[in-house]
Amino acid sequence: EDKVVQSPLSLVVHEGDTVTLNCSYEVTNFRSLLWYKQEKKAPTFLFMLTSSGIEKKSGRLSSILDKKELFSILNITATQTGDSAVYLCAVEQGAQKLVFGQGTRLTINP
Amino acid sequence: NAGVTQTPKFQVLKTGQSMTLQCAQDMNHEYMSWYRQDPGMGLRLIHYSVGAGITDQGEVPNGYNVSRSTTEDFPLRLLSAAPSQTSVYFCASSAGFRSNQPQHFGDGTRLSIL
Repeated sequence: EDKVVQSPLSLVVHEGDTVTLNCSYEVTNFRSLLWYKQEKKAPTFLFMLTSSGIEKKSGRLSSILDKKELFSILNITATQTGDSAVYLCAVEQGAQKLVFGQGTRLTINP
Repeated sequence: NAGVTQTPKFQVLKTGQSMTLQCAQDMNHEYMSWYRQDPGMGLRLIHYSVGAGITDQGEVPNGYNVSRSTTEDFPLRLLSAAPSQTSVYFCASSAGFRSNQPQHFGDGTRLSIL
């Protein structure tokens, strides 16, 4: 059975801290791994990772994929209250089907 | 550019009623899909379409029908609503398999079945 597992499920930190969110997967026909941020409504796209060991960065956010060990991490440095959200990891299979993890709820306290 | 538009935003139904959730995109995307999001379970794929006239089942298709008569629209039909279908429904679209582009999501429809 295809499975994507995120950890931790919930995380509370102070503004300015650095956080690492984890995503492990066991999925057939792997095509890519994606990270989304979900605040009140639609998940919004952060990163798409297809190759191992190549870090993708966008401002204070970065992510990397390990296809041998079947996991990815999402790092957020110097966190701000606006980073509070649910972060979703999804693995894309052939035909662009996405298998999602449960999400990590991140809360940044001022 | 409106992106992916879902209507309605909220709906309350009685058990046994039918309804259609609408999804439209204005990006000329080939691929469209429907997901449901339940607490603690992430998003699960219901149905998807790789182009007009082509649809297929996802992980949780039972109780739902879809059709894709145009590139722009991908409605999701509940034929006889059940309380287990209470959920938040998201529609997504992308440029297609060869594009290597991510899926973009609509704002969702919150559906309650009494």
